[in-house]
Amino acid sequence: DTGVSQDPRHKITKRGQNVTFRCDPISEHNRLYWYRQTLGQGPEFLTYFQNEAQLEKSRLLSDRFSAERPKGSFSTLEIQRTEQGDSAMYLCASSGSGEGWETQYFGPGTRLLVL
Amino acid sequence: AQSVTQPDIHITVSEGASLELRCNYSYGATPYLFWYVQSPGQGLQLLLKYFSGDTLVQGIKGFEAEFKRSQSSFNLRKPSVHWSDAAEYFCAVGARAGGTSYGKLTFGQGTILTVHP
Repeated sequence: DTGVSQDPRHKITKRGQNVTFRCDPISEHNRLYWYRQTLGQGPEFLTYFQNEAQLEKSRLLSDRFSAERPKGSFSTLEIQRTEQGDSAMYLCASSGSGEGWETQYFGPGTRLLVL
Repeated sequence: AQSVTQPDIHITVSEGASLELRCNYSYGATPYLFWYVQSPGQGLQLLLKYFSGDTLVQGIKGFEAEFKRSQSSFNLRKPSVHWSDAAEYFCAVGARAGGTSYGKLTFGQGTILTVHP
């Protein structure tokens, strides 16, 4: 069990560019979550997948944001036409099914800076 | 809607002193409650969780927390703080299965812990 991994760990981009982040959950976990954390705040929920189905999206996830989990394994989060307000840490978490499904395990995060 | 309040943004303690971090939640039923710790630039590590049963739960690194339904609180405690405990601590509430937002965690703003030698 290698834990949740995220790539890249850091990303600097210019306003208006598109960026894509990847999350690899713990291998047997079928639930996957994305959160966003801005400086001085707790993480805020963005979206949730169960297997390949995206079951919930926060209103924080504007039309410029899209997330996928095509084969129910890794997930990608894409931000189009980035804005300076998108600068944040993007955290991915996963959890299993059955007993203990409520416990989410977090990756190290991708820190995005939009110039 | 569920919410979490951590009243203390920053707490400073001396090494060896006891610690209590406060957490108050709002949720329509019995919640799932969690404490996570985050070191600078890192992801979140689970310290402990409460689902049901004994209201005093033990976690890793010598931490414990007590669920008090009447006070809607889930305070984190440690009898003797070590310098390595310096980090940011987040309380979170999770919705139970069957709700419209099951799986989603709502976090508090966090409490930064500084430990003086």
